[in-house]
Amino acid sequence: DIQMTQSPSSLSASVGDRVTITCRASQYISSYLNWYQQKPGKAPNLLIYAASSLQSGVPSRFSGSGSGTDFTLTIGSLQPEDFATYYCHQTYSTPFTFGQGTKLEIK
Amino acid sequence: QVQLVQSGAEVKKPGASVKVSCRASGYTFTSYYIHWVRQAPGQGLEWLGIINSSGGSTTYAQKFLGKVTLTRDTSTSTVYMELSSLRSEDTAVYYCARSGEYNSKLDYWGQGTLVTVSP
Repeated sequence: DIQMTQSPSSLSASVGDRVTITCRASQYISSYLNWYQQKPGKAPNLLIYAASSLQSGVPSRFSGSGSGTDFTLTIGSLQPEDFATYYCHQTYSTPFTFGQGTKLEIK
Repeated sequence: QVQLVQSGAEVKKPGASVKVSCRASGYTFTSYYIHWVRQAPGQGLEWLGIINSSGGSTTYAQKFLGKVTLTRDTSTSTVYMELSSLRSEDTAVYYCARSGEYNSKLDYWGQGTLVTVSP
């Protein structure tokens, strides 16, 4: 199985900050990497697909980059509604594994 | 609008089975795949498997072979996830989600179904 490792596991930041979350795959996954945001009690919401494509309806302050094994999710200027948990997810080979999550909290 | 609506919460005893449904609307059912993902209380997301809504072929995570069975009914645009030999560790919220290709983004998700396994 491909292991997905996110860092950091948790992060404190302030409104207006620029934040970067990284995701590393244990083996090559090309650009088969998606990012999701999840708020408590809700289903995950797709933010970025194919490593760097912005899902329709998602604010442009969210961006993704990377290919191969190393990926990043960047939030350009944090808004109050961005405090949530973020997951990366590879769909290169089954099982389609998720990272352990990064909890973004208000400083 | 695209919707995936899941069946309601379940409480089961250890050793029992449970069947959760995911009814799709707002798109051509047979043109998409449905994935199942679970989330134990306070934990992360875990991928269980995928079904081709058209042909019915399935792929499961090795961990869930023999544990999870995915089926679909094209007449009602519904996918079912059956979980057998329930244990307390199976207590989780179970989500269905669709993708346009076998290995593409999961763009719409169901609301989740809480399955509680308790004596």
